[in-house]
Amino acid sequence: AQSVTQLGSHVSVSEGALVLLRCNYSSSVPPYLFWYVQYPNQGLQLLLKYTTGATLVKGINGFEAEFKKSETSFHLTKPSAHMSDAAEYFCAVFTGGGNKLTFGTGTQLKVEL
Amino acid sequence: NAGVTQTPKFQVLKTGQSMTLQCAQDMNHNSMYWYRQDPGMGLRLIYYSASEGTTDKGEVPNGYNVSRLNKREFSLRLESAAPSQTSVYFCASSDRGQEKLFFGSGTQLSVL
Repeated sequence: AQSVTQLGSHVSVSEGALVLLRCNYSSSVPPYLFWYVQYPNQGLQLLLKYTTGATLVKGINGFEAEFKKSETSFHLTKPSAHMSDAAEYFCAVFTGGGNKLTFGTGTQLKVEL
Repeated sequence: NAGVTQTPKFQVLKTGQSMTLQCAQDMNHNSMYWYRQDPGMGLRLIYYSASEGTTDKGEVPNGYNVSRLNKREFSLRLESAAPSQTSVYFCASSDRGQEKLFFGSGTQLSVL
């Protein structure tokens, strides 16, 4: 069975500060890992994904995430937060079988002036 | 490019009423999905259709039925709505399994 844990349902940062959203997963087979972003009143959109290869993955809007197998983590970072980054972020894991993409419970990011 | 279009955007039902949520995609994707989103629970898969003519249950299928009308359209039906089905419903589509999903903007459903 696979699962995803997002630490912190709400994260608040100042504009210009580092954004760090945490995601840990469990999987018995090599996973595919994703971050999705949901802006208010919109559907989710893919931010970035890790499938195979380079463990540091760059996504849209300056976000990146690093797959660390030893730590079973896939944390999302952005060096400098912008007001437009305020949204809910979902980590997800997929192990290829049974069409089962498992989402985390989400982290609401607030960016303050 | 419309992408994934869901209708309606908002709906209020009384317990026991039925309704159908509509979803259409214009990206020629083979796979389509229905999720529900509840606070503190992330997204949970209700039903999916890997290709035209096939449908399968997801994690939380009870109380729902689906129809893959054609390659473009995938509808979700609540036969007898219950308050526990109050949620935000998202339709998604993909041409690569669940490696990259394209989501609609959601339907906010309240069952009183």
